[in-house]
Amino acid sequence: EPEVTQTPSHQVTQMGQEVILRCVPISNHLYFYWYRQILGQKVEFLVSFYNNEISEKSEIFDDQFSVERPDGSNFTLKIRSTKLEDSAMYFCASSHHPYNQPQHFGDGTRLSIL
Amino acid sequence: GENVEQHPSTLSVQEGDSAVIKCTYSDSASNYFPWYKQELGKGPQLIIDIRSNVGEKKDQRIAVTLNKTAKHFSLHITETQPEDSAVYFCAASDGNEKLTFGTGTRLTIIP
Repeated sequence: EPEVTQTPSHQVTQMGQEVILRCVPISNHLYFYWYRQILGQKVEFLVSFYNNEISEKSEIFDDQFSVERPDGSNFTLKIRSTKLEDSAMYFCASSHHPYNQPQHFGDGTRLSIL
Repeated sequence: GENVEQHPSTLSVQEGDSAVIKCTYSDSASNYFPWYKQELGKGPQLIIDIRSNVGEKKDQRIAVTLNKTAKHFSLHITETQPEDSAVYFCAASDGNEKLTFGTGTRLTIIP
């Protein structure tokens, strides 16, 4: 069964450094998402992306965050200047259609900011 | 915005018994309700979903019920097995692209 893959599985970064999290969505999916989960808390929506544009974003997704689809297979989340509170699990998801269609998640990247 | 409450936070049941997890949502415009299972070290895995034009949906040992009037939906797992032990999340969508998740239920199946 096709799956969403994320790399790396664990990223340790110094505060203030830039970090890029990578995702390969399911190949025939057109809609891509990032969510995060701070330890012990609920999964929170960050951003959705379609046709090379952000289609929706949450208040968490401020100017330090950006997303990109640099080629036909990868989808990336960049955090420009990391803060301690950015430490979390970051999940990528994809779906074939938006709006009430199943979103399939990767296994996440654990981001630890020191 | 949407708010999803989930209960209980932990649940232990004897193997073979049934487990029920309940969620309530706040936005009456929500019309899509998926359930995810998350095992240790893995991402959320979709196990079943229901749309607002349906009151109940079943897939083998798993069923979900939806009460739109009361704005709550429930996950039912029958004949539980050890491999059902995991954290379960409910979620809701109001027709936009984002999912709003509940806080999760840690289900433990006691052999």
